[in-house]
Amino acid sequence: QKEVEQNSGPLSVPEGAIASLNCTYSDRGSQSFFWYRQYSGKSPELIMFIYSNGDKEDGRFTAQLNKASQYVSLLIRDSQPSDSATYLCAVKGNYGQNFVFGPGTRLSVLP
Amino acid sequence: GAVVSQHPSWVICKSGTSVKIECRSLDFQATTMFWYRQFPKQSLMLMATSNEGSKATYEQGVEKDKFLINHASLTLSTLTVTSAHPEDSSFYICSARDGGPYNSPLHFGNGTRLTVT
Repeated sequence: QKEVEQNSGPLSVPEGAIASLNCTYSDRGSQSFFWYRQYSGKSPELIMFIYSNGDKEDGRFTAQLNKASQYVSLLIRDSQPSDSATYLCAVKGNYGQNFVFGPGTRLSVLP
Repeated sequence: GAVVSQHPSWVICKSGTSVKIECRSLDFQATTMFWYRQFPKQSLMLMATSNEGSKATYEQGVEKDKFLINHASLTLSTLTVTSAHPEDSSFYICSARDGGPYNSPLHFGNGTRLTVT
């Protein structure tokens, strides 16, 4: 059973702080990693993807991947109340079509 | 690019009736689309994988005769909830990859909120 785990939260951070969201996965063959943001009542939207070990930055977002530890994280700098949402981690292997989603971490940015 | 359109965005139907939800890839061809269901405050649950020109693959516990999937073209997949009951009330979301590299991301439609009375 391929699993993706996330702390369900809520994770509360003050406005302007760095929010750190973590995700672990069980399948060592996983090759592609994605972060989605889902606002309440809306469908998920892609924030970032990462394929190689290390950091990948896009604006206020940084994805970090450590395949040896089977760990991927998302950092949100200068958190804003509009970042309050549920963040879903998704993992895909090289073969097959399926993406495995984690349960999501609910982030609350307090003004 | 990579826009997925889903229709309707919400629907209310009476118990026992059927509801059809459409999912279209607007600017790319999708040989495979995915249908998810999400109950309030719960995580996404994959229901089935829709394959163009062939039968859908259903996840364990999902009734294929109740949730009919048709993927008649490279840009359209439909999900029909047959003989809907109140317990089928949920948020249904389709998604597709844009057909690029094997590791290209999923893009989601806006979802359909189904309420069965």
